Amino acid sequence: DAGVIQSPRHEVTEMGQEVTLRCKPISGHDYLFWYRQTMMRGLELLIYFNNNVPIDDSGMPEDRFSAKMPNASFSTLKIQPSEPRDSAVYFCASSPLRIDVPYEQYFGPGTRLTVT
Amino acid sequence: GQNIDQPTEMTATEGAIVQINCTYQTSGFNGLFWYQQHAGEAPTFLSYNVLDGLEEKGRFSSFLSRSKGYSYLLLKELQMKDSASYLCASMDSNYQLIWGAGTKLIIKP
Repeated sequence: DAGVIQSPRHEVTEMGQEVTLRCKPISGHDYLFWYRQTMMRGLELLIYFNNNVPIDDSGMPEDRFSAKMPNASFSTLKIQPSEPRDSAVYFCASSPLRIDVPYEQYFGPGTRLTVT
Repeated sequence: GQNIDQPTEMTATEGAIVQINCTYQTSGFNGLFWYQQHAGEAPTFLSYNVLDGLEEKGRFSSFLSRSKGYSYLLLKELQMKDSASYLCASMDSNYQLIWGAGTKLIIKP
């Protein structure tokens, strides 16, 4: 399997612009997670989906952030408008439904976002 | 509230043993995870404990005490490639992972 695929790997944009991050989870995984990681705040869960349905979006910072999962093989995280404080590495992770190791998450390589 | 505590940074010598501690307080408990993250890379799964005791996996072992809200990751025969951050995460009653800030492990020759 190719693992979790994220694009782009790097994104540099100006404040106020719209940013769309993309994720393809591992085939057959039931759960998809979006995280943000910064030096100051560590790894933060933004939102997660189960079978394409958003379950918990309490970690989404504000209305500027939105996420969709139109089908089992694709998800997007959109920031509109972007701000410098959104600069971080954004990870997508997917997880199978397992009894022995519940929610073992497989992370994608991340998207490094810089907002100037 | 929910809280995960682990040391910010540790230094150890190649070939030695190091123990990285983690204490947790979460709403409910469904297991304790350890992940490894090399600089500039994604976290990768190392271990999962839900019952008290020690789980050994090669050079790495993970221990859990549920009554004390405590876990540790033990790395033996340290190699330079073990230089990384080690993230402790507790799974709460909603099966959501609560992540620690990570322990940066520096291995010196």
